[in-house]
Amino acid sequence: SAVISQKPSRDICQRGTSLTIQCQVDSQVTMMFWYRQQPGQSLTLIATANQGSEATYESGFVIDKFPISRPNLTFSTLTVSNMSPEDSSIYLCSVEDLAGGLNEQFFGPGTRLTVL
Amino acid sequence: SQKIEQNSEALNIQEGKTATLTCNYTNYSPAYLQWYRQDPGRGPVFLLLIRENEKEKRKERLKVTFDTTLKQSLFHITASQPADSATYLCALDDTGRRALTFGSGTRLQVQP
Repeated sequence: SAVISQKPSRDICQRGTSLTIQCQVDSQVTMMFWYRQQPGQSLTLIATANQGSEATYESGFVIDKFPISRPNLTFSTLTVSNMSPEDSSIYLCSVEDLAGGLNEQFFGPGTRLTVL
Repeated sequence: SQKIEQNSEALNIQEGKTATLTCNYTNYSPAYLQWYRQDPGRGPVFLLLIRENEKEKRKERLKVTFDTTLKQSLFHITASQPADSATYLCALDDTGRRALTFGSGTRLQVQP
């Protein structure tokens, strides 16, 4: 199973600033995903991070607000740009592990973001 | 519109009993459905996956059923323990995108 780390684990930011969240996986994976979990809510997919090409964004999420990088098969970043209090959430990266023949996803511990 | 619905109210049961959680979906044609456990402040942890051509899957005290006619999955925890207390999320993959869409989750509280 893949082991995923995220940095930072939490942050408190001022309105109008940007924060870049890092996701590191201990093995090479094809599919990496970024999710958001707002307080008391379930997970919402932001985008699929594609290695070597632009990320694929879900409806309601745009690249200018959430630019994503995927420079190699073990690393990705998500930037939350021009933040507002509505961006306060937990941001999670996940990877798909097909090693066991399943499509299960492994999640990082999350980054808890508070925007003042 | 597409929906994945789980009981929004917390489920409280006594230790040793069987917990049954429900996941209903509409306007999806998933190739498989997954169940995850999430503890406060942590990311979801994979529990079980069941494919569209499978009726039932078991893993230790866990059992999942999948009825594609009813568009429903049931998740059972037998001989429940206080350590099973958590939020349980169902998730499915639609149209082969391999990204998951999650239900809102059901919080389970097992009383000693």
